Amino acid sequence: DAGITQSPRHKVTETGTPVTLRCHQTENHRYMYWYRQDPGHGLRLIHYSYGVKDTDKGEVSDGYSVSRSKTEDFLLTLESATSSQTSVYFCAITGTSGSYNEQFFGPGTRLTVL
Amino acid sequence: DQQVKQNSPSLSVQEGRISILNCDYTNSMFDYFLWYKKYPAEGPTFLISISSIKDKNEDGRFTVFLNKSAKHLSLHIVPSQPGDSAVYFCAASEGSSNTGKLIFGQGTTLQVKP
Repeated sequence: DAGITQSPRHKVTETGTPVTLRCHQTENHRYMYWYRQDPGHGLRLIHYSYGVKDTDKGEVSDGYSVSRSKTEDFLLTLESATSSQTSVYFCAITGTSGSYNEQFFGPGTRLTVL
Repeated sequence: DQQVKQNSPSLSVQEGRISILNCDYTNSMFDYFLWYKKYPAEGPTFLISISSIKDKNEDGRFTVFLNKSAKHLSLHIVPSQPGDSAVYFCAASEGSSNTGKLIFGQGTTLQVKP
């Protein structure tokens, strides 16, 4: 199994509060991704990173920011959480080229915004 | 607009029979396709992939077929086993873009009855 951990695994927060989710990998992979999973939508890409300090937006990036200060960690921040951001969040990594490679997923973080 | 669609939310088959899961896409730039399996409270796990230069890829009980002209792919599981009961996601990427970004379908829940 790819060495990917996510923390926290579960979080309940209130509308308007900031939230940071962490993804940590031990594979030294260059590419890291944040997805959210919602019923009827499958997984949707929020942001991704192709190297330290190199990030870009995905399909559903509004209301989210990311940072990657070292290879192994990719942080997802909700600056001011809203109820529409209640979801399950998955981090994924992939190999050196990013293309034509499968992604390996972490166990997920279930976030509830009240 | 959904670029990758799985039009069947659920499928139920008898153990030992064939399971066929379908996926359609609209973006002709997609050139790499993947299937993932997801159990509850776990991250998706990679099953099988296919490049657009092929029309079939087989791995044990799992075979993926790609029909580029119809923009359609399917996953065949033969024989189906109760442990195959899970949510299956198809995903597509423009491998040539080198970002590794995946676009997922909504998922199909497979139930294999003993």
